[in-house]
Order: sequence, then C-alpha cells, then structure tokens
Amino acid sequence: DTGVSQDPRHKITKRGQNVTFRCDPISEHNRLYWYRQTLGQGPEFLTYFQNEAQLEKSRLLSDRFSAERPKGSFSTLEIQRTEQGDSAMYLCASSLVGNPSNYGYTFGSGTRLTVV
Amino acid sequence: AQTVTQSQPEMSVQEAETVTLSCTYDTSESNYYLFWYKQPPSRQMILVIRQEAYKQQNATENRFSVNFQKAAKSFSLKISDSQLGDTAMYFCASVYNNDMRFGAGTRLTVKP
Repeated sequence: DTGVSQDPRHKITKRGQNVTFRCDPISEHNRLYWYRQTLGQGPEFLTYFQNEAQLEKSRLLSDRFSAERPKGSFSTLEIQRTEQGDSAMYLCASSLVGNPSNYGYTFGSGTRLTVV
Repeated sequence: AQTVTQSQPEMSVQEAETVTLSCTYDTSESNYYLFWYKQPPSRQMILVIRQEAYKQQNATENRFSVNFQKAAKSFSLKISDSQLGDTAMYFCASVYNNDMRFGAGTRLTVKP
C-alpha cells in the first residue's frame, strides 16, 4: 500500500470553471476525510465518509462543493463555478474506525488549487 | 465542539537544542485523542506523536515527547536534540469520534 494518493497535485483554473479532485485512501481504511488548508493556517474540516456514506458536511462546504465516494473506495471532490476564494490546498485523509491503536489519520500530499 | 489553540505562530531553535511547542484545547468529552502532526515544506502531513486522554503517562517517540496536562487541557510537544530536518509547520489536533480538529500551527525553524 502506497498510502493516501491525491490527483492532481496542482490545478490552475480560471474563475467560473469546474474542477474535480480525486483521493485514493489506504485500501483497508473505511473513513475518508476532506480538508481545506489556506496558507499559514491549519486544515479545516470539509466532509467525511464512512464507506460510501457521507456522514457530515461542514458549513464551509457551500452548494458549489460536492463530494462522493461511490463504492466506498476512492473519493472525488468537485467544485463548480470556482471563485478566487477557493484557492487553497485540498487535503484528503483516511482512517480505520474501531481500531484504537490506529486512531490517527493518514494524509495525502494534497491538491493545490489556484483560481485565476 | 472541539477547539484547538496554538499561541506560537513561529519559533526557532538552534540545532541540537530543545524546544517546546504549546497547545491548548477545549472539549467537553472525556475520551478523546490528541496528536501532533508535522508538515514539512513538501506539504504532506506526518504524524509525530499521539496521546490517548485516558492515559496519564506522557507519550514519547524517540526525540519527541509530550507534556499532557488533562485538567489544564494542555498538550505541549517537546523536541530534544533538534535537527535541521525538524524544520516544518507543527499542528496540534484533537480527535473525538473520528472528528479531527486542528490548531493554526507553529512554524518551527531549526538553525544550524
């Protein structure tokens, strides 16, 4: 297992365009999380899935954002009609529920989005 | 709701010396977990150390140790024998029921 993978690493898009990011978690992890991180700040929670079910969405996740995890494996995060304020690093993490010895999250390298 | 506060935006330390990063948190839960993550300039978050709230003994991982004061809701990270590779952003985080919240981070620079 190569850890949590995110694609693409970088994305530059024009304002108003739609973008989609992909996250492949560690295969045996049943929880998957999306965070957004702006420069100089800590990651902010966006949403998480347990298997294919989206269990919580932050108020930060406006109607232009949608996330899916159709088969309980990889996940996609789509941003529609991008705005300059969407420019940030989007981090994906995964974890295994119910295993107290492995309660930490494993993070991917992130997708850096720049909206011009 | 959980909140995590890191009051030191930036710190620096000389190579081989010891540095302590501060973190306070606020939670109404009794069973939770605390973490320190490191984020080098390459940007990938790396788990440094974890602490389970029901354990009184402070966690230690090689040069990294924590001072966990549950009553004060304090969770500081001590880095001994600092190395140049320790230069990074350090984030304190709390987890309850798989909901992880982060502090704003401390930028640590290790100087040669």
